[in-house]
Amino acid sequence: ETGVTQTPRHLVMGMTNKKSLKCEQHLGHNAMYWYKQSAKKPLELMFVYNFKEQTENNSVPSRFSPECPNSSHLFLHLHTLQPEDSALYLCASSQDRGGDRLTQYFGPGTRLLVL
Amino acid sequence: QKEVEQNSGPLSVPEGAIASLNCTYSDRGSQSFFWYRQYSGKSPELIMFIYSNGDKEDGRFTAQLNKASQYVSLLIRDSQPSDSATYLCAVNTGGFKTIFGAGTRLFVKA
Repeated sequence: ETGVTQTPRHLVMGMTNKKSLKCEQHLGHNAMYWYKQSAKKPLELMFVYNFKEQTENNSVPSRFSPECPNSSHLFLHLHTLQPEDSALYLCASSQDRGGDRLTQYFGPGTRLLVL
Repeated sequence: QKEVEQNSGPLSVPEGAIASLNCTYSDRGSQSFFWYRQYSGKSPELIMFIYSNGDKEDGRFTAQLNKASQYVSLLIRDSQPSDSATYLCAVNTGGFKTIFGAGTRLFVKA
C-alpha cells in the first residue's frame, strides 16, 4: 500500500458546500503536490509545496484553497465549486527537487462529484 | 504553453511482443523524464526515470531519450496481460513543475 494516504476516498457535494480533502505522506518527503485528473485529460498540476512553502500555483481558481501545515500534511479546502470541478484529485509527494528526487509517489485519490 | 504529447491509443499487442510507447515534449530545457503506469481506478506509479540521452534498461522496460529530437520512449519487452494499463509520460520543466501527457492506453492480448 502506498505511503501516501488521502481522505475521503469519495465525496459528493453541492455547489454551496464547503469541504476539505486531506493528504498525509509517511515517506519523509519534503515536497507535496495536488493534481486534478479528469477523464481523457492529462494530470493537471494545481499546487506544490516544498518545506511547507508554496512553490507552484498553476492559475487555480480561488474556490480551491490549499493548506500545508507541515511537510507531512496537505489539505485542499473546497468552496462554491462548479460541476466541472468533478474529477479525481490526487495528492503526491517527492523527496525534493533535482533528478530522480522528483519522483512522485501518489495517493489513491479522492473522487469528487459536484452536484 | 509547455506540452507533452502522447498517442492516446489504445495500443494493442499480443502477449510476448514488444510494446513501444512514444512521447514528445516542447520545452527544450527539460532535464528529467519519467514514465508512470496507471491501472484503471488506481493512481500512477513510477516505471522509469531517465535524464541522459540514450537508453536505460530495467528488467523488461527500456526508456530511450533523445533530447535533440525532444523525444522519449518506453519499450516493454515480453509484454504480459498484467502490463495492460495507461502509461503516462512526465517531463520536469524546472523546479517542481512536472507536466504529464494524457497517457497511452496499452492492451496486451493473451
